[in-house]
Amino acid sequence: AQKITQTQPGMFVQEKEAVTLDCTYDTSDPSYGLFWYKQPSSGEMIFLIYQGSYDQQNATEGRYSLNFQKARKSANLVISASQLGDSAMYFCAMRDLGFYGGSQGNLIFGKGTKLSVKP
Amino acid sequence: DTAVSQTPKYLVTQMGNDKSIKCEQNLGHDTMYWYKQDSKKFLKIMFSYNNKELIINETVPNRFSPKSPDKAHLNLHINSLELGDSAVYFCASSQATRDRGYLRDSPLHFGNGTRLTVT
Repeated sequence: AQKITQTQPGMFVQEKEAVTLDCTYDTSDPSYGLFWYKQPSSGEMIFLIYQGSYDQQNATEGRYSLNFQKARKSANLVISASQLGDSAMYFCAMRDLGFYGGSQGNLIFGKGTKLSVKP
Repeated sequence: DTAVSQTPKYLVTQMGNDKSIKCEQNLGHDTMYWYKQDSKKFLKIMFSYNNKELIINETVPNRFSPKSPDKAHLNLHINSLELGDSAVYFCASSQATRDRGYLRDSPLHFGNGTRLTVT
């Protein structure tokens, strides 16, 4: 069965510093996708970054990078140069791709980490 | 242009009533979902449809009935509303692709959510 664990309910970071949000996962499927989403206080779910299990390199998107350690089953999100607007809930999620492809799978979410950026 | 739109944004109703939430996506995706986010911010899948066919139905009470008239729409009807149904409901869509033979997932694109309050 799939499982996603985010062990940090809340974190603080100083503006302009880097921060790492932890995520570990468990699955028996060799083909899967890992995602990070941001949910600001306004409530919308914003996609940040994606890592496929077969991707050779760690994913990066602007100030976001995903530290993918397959053997450890971890997919930590690194935010560089934190900004006040980064204050939000951050969710790690994964989906087994299975035989028929990702469209058929259930995207499961961790419980989230609330990040607060201090000025 | 809004990619995934759901209406209404807020829904306040009394116990026992029946209500519907509508969702439409203009991304051309084959798969649509309904997620429920509880008061602790935990996101859990309720239903998933692929090309109008139900493919995921988690342990959701029968009072919840999704309807997909076409692949761009997935509506959620709730009968006999209960206090415990109060939550934020998110509609989402996605489309998997193949990249050099590998199945590559796509992120779920979420609507802005419908905050349902049952009194």
